[in-house]
Amino acid sequence: NAGVMQNPRHLVRRRGQEARLRCSPMKGHSHVYWYRQLPEEGLKFMVYLQKENIIDESGMPKERFSAEFPKEGPSILRIQQVVRGDSAAYFCASSGGTGKSPLHFGNGTRLTVT
Amino acid sequence: SQELEQSPQSLIVQEGKNLTINCTSSKTLYGLYWYKQKYGEGLIFLMMLQKGGEEKSHEKITAKLDEKKQQSSLHITASQPSHAGIYLCGADKNNNAGNMLTFGGGTRLMVKP
Repeated sequence: NAGVMQNPRHLVRRRGQEARLRCSPMKGHSHVYWYRQLPEEGLKFMVYLQKENIIDESGMPKERFSAEFPKEGPSILRIQQVVRGDSAAYFCASSGGTGKSPLHFGNGTRLTVT
Repeated sequence: SQELEQSPQSLIVQEGKNLTINCTSSKTLYGLYWYKQKYGEGLIFLMMLQKGGEEKSHEKITAKLDEKKQQSSLHITASQPSHAGIYLCGADKNNNAGNMLTFGGGTRLMVKP
């Protein structure tokens, strides 16, 4: 009865490289949400996806960031040409999506850009 | 956009003492969620409140929603070291389906044995 699985737990990238963060939602969940937690800051919404669709990406930076949730496989948050300011903890959450239900969070991926 | 203000930002209490954390919204609350986060880990869901006046309890933690005041409180009775962590309140961004939550800045709780 696995919860939300994120990998890797820790990721180190040099400036200019690409970072790929993966998220497998809880079994039976088809709604995925990505959040970012910067050091000493709160949790900020980035993007909300359902299978093969981006529902709301109002929290995503306009450049370098993209997200997908394909029909098969995990959701991917992709950051191109990373900069030091991208260093943060990235959390994925999932829900069943039927009415109001709590989000279930993964343990996050901690991205460090050197 | 909706903003959630949590108070206090941090709290140190002696084991066995009671404490209250508040969460105030700048807009109408459609649903309010309380989570706990331990350092280096994800968020653990505690409770969800949807109706004004609603109150829920789990073990020694009680949460209330005052919809008119756009506020929720989390009360811990007889605190223990295991209660230490960061408590976050989250609110639904809108009243539509889906759960795009906006979170408060968190309250960091330390419990001294």
